[in-house]
Amino acid sequence: SAVISQKPSRDICQRGTSLTIQCQVDSQVTMMFWYRQQPGQSLTLIATANQGSEATYESGFVIDKFPISRPNLTFSTLTVSNMSPEDSSIYLCSVEEGKQFFGPGTRLTVL
Amino acid sequence: GIQVEQSPPDLILQEGANSTLRCNFSDSVNNLQWFHQNPWGQLINLFYIPSGTKQNGRLSATTVATERYSLLYISSSQTTDSGVYFCAAISGGGADGLTFGKGTHLIIQP
Repeated sequence: SAVISQKPSRDICQRGTSLTIQCQVDSQVTMMFWYRQQPGQSLTLIATANQGSEATYESGFVIDKFPISRPNLTFSTLTVSNMSPEDSSIYLCSVEEGKQFFGPGTRLTVL
Repeated sequence: GIQVEQSPPDLILQEGANSTLRCNFSDSVNNLQWFHQNPWGQLINLFYIPSGTKQNGRLSATTVATERYSLLYISSSQTTDSGVYFCAAISGGGADGLTFGKGTHLIIQP
């Protein structure tokens, strides 16, 4: 199964700033996904990121707020822009290899 | 899109007890997975089970696709089984991201 790492593992940020989260996979994968887990809640899909094409965003998520890059088959970034306290969440990336595997997550707190 | 509902939302058991967690889904699925989220937030893959029955140690799962439900069985519970159990699915004709249920919060008391 794929081994997925994320950076940073956690961060505390000031409102109005932006944070870029990195997701690295140890093998080449076609499809990568970004999810958000708000405190005490379930996971919600933000977007699907395929290499060589624009990310596909779910309802309620927009590119200006959550720009995503997918420069190659082992790496992706998610930026949380112009942050507010409501963006405090765990952000997780996942990859599909028959089934989906998840990275360890990035725990973000916005003050 | 597909709806995924889990029950019960909370479950408190004594060590050694058995439990059954249920997941209902609203559409045919080509992917159904069970996860355990530990206290540190890590999602652990338990089962990939769009249909049929699988077992892994004290855990087993059954999905009856025609009736649109899946069950996760935990036998002889241990305190390390505590955490949140999520069911997630992708519908047969839907997008490729998983839709998660709200989870079952399981507490195993010593």
